[in-house]
Amino acid sequence: ETGVTQTPRHLVMGMTNKKSLKCEQHLGHNAMYWYKQSAKKPLELMFVYNFKEQTENNSVPSRFSPECPNSSHLFLHLNTLQPEDSALYLCASSQDLEQREAFFGQGTRLTVV
Amino acid sequence: GQNIDQPTEMTATEGAIVQINCTYQTSGFNGLFWYQQHAGEAPTFLSYNVLDGLEEKGRFSSFLSRSKGYSYLLLKELQMKDSASYLCAVVDSNYQLIWGAGTKLIIKP
Repeated sequence: ETGVTQTPRHLVMGMTNKKSLKCEQHLGHNAMYWYKQSAKKPLELMFVYNFKEQTENNSVPSRFSPECPNSSHLFLHLNTLQPEDSALYLCASSQDLEQREAFFGQGTRLTVV
Repeated sequence: GQNIDQPTEMTATEGAIVQINCTYQTSGFNGLFWYQQHAGEAPTFLSYNVLDGLEEKGRFSSFLSRSKGYSYLLLKELQMKDSASYLCAVVDSNYQLIWGAGTKLIIKP
């Protein structure tokens, strides 16, 4: 078991679709993160949750909507995305916000057509 | 602004040694991470430096100089499986992780 599990691994969606990405961690961590990774660019932090509460939203468009029902699960709801949103979406967790050694899931490769 | 610089791509030969550099300008410093990411896979933790000096862990070593805003990752006895991207990330004074764009390392036989 990897510790942080993301589903699905690959997703192709049309611009009018709604889909959700799921992340689950079995490490007992309190902080969870969504990152966007595009080719040849630094990881872009999207959202941070600590003890289920959102602590950071880095000017992410509203077509991305996170949800954290408990400390082990994190969702990213996608609604009417654009082709430029195609990227690898990575979920990560850490013990807390100050212990930033992050454990990553394998990501969801998203293609918007 | 905050910035992390690392080379985009490097090539090395199997069995050799390679050094991947990372320079940073950040608001404060609370540590520096190196991660390895194979194509299509999750980044995995390699090292964490918060004090100056060299940390050795098997074939991999990481060096930090806080006064110079500089770190490097040293890979010895290179193997084909070391072909991957290597990500440098700095924790700033607000405990935000600032990421570099990564260095793609290509190992040739």
